[in-house]
Amino acid sequence: QSALTQPASVSGSPGQSITISCTGTSSDVGGYNYVSWYQKHPGKAPKLMIYGVSNRPSGVSNRFSGSKSGNTASLTISGLQAEDEADYYCSSYTTSSSLVFGGGTKLTVL
Amino acid sequence: QVQLVQSGAEVKKPGASVRVSCKTSGYTFTSCAITWVRQAPGQGLEWMGRISVSNGNTKYAQRLQGRVTMTTDTSASTAYMELRSLRSDDTAVYYCARKSPVTQVDYWGQGTLVTVSS
Repeated sequence: QSALTQPASVSGSPGQSITISCTGTSSDVGGYNYVSWYQKHPGKAPKLMIYGVSNRPSGVSNRFSGSKSGNTASLTISGLQAEDEADYYCSSYTTSSSLVFGGGTKLTVL
Repeated sequence: QVQLVQSGAEVKKPGASVRVSCKTSGYTFTSCAITWVRQAPGQGLEWMGRISVSNGNTKYAQRLQGRVTMTTDTSASTAYMELRSLRSDDTAVYYCARKSPVTQVDYWGQGTLVTVSS
């Protein structure tokens, strides 16, 4: 199972919005509404930000939103804040009943 | 509150085995699966597999088949991951995480650093 494709890095200024894409295939992203997004700070455990393509867990800011079109899922962060600077990973359930992650995207807040 | 607390860092020689534990609390252990994920230095997250706590069914990543075993002790609400025939490229931080039917992989342990070095 190949990793999902994410841009290596994105950046934005405080207050701006950014979008991170996550491209897979019809065997994973395109075939199921089981796409999740995780925020990971260095030395910390991943934190669930979005599940089921577009659902936010309790306690996650509504500045974070998710969507999907075909084989590509997206995470949008609006009103960028310094604390949003982290690595972001997407994941998807697959037809082989496994989980696959994206390669990760480093978000820099300028 | 849901918590997953993992065992401490390990240093192993090539060819050895390592077992990482993951003690859970704050929810009904048998209602969710446990997923294991690792992150090698400078690399991304890699799914290793999962175990259904209710029936013990497992699903492992193909590249780890034959070297990894995931188990649970329901009386202790604890999950275990054993990796055998360790190689240097198994050096990574290993995470356990809860997989719930609704929110999928949601709560994570703090991670366990496993270093494989001669």
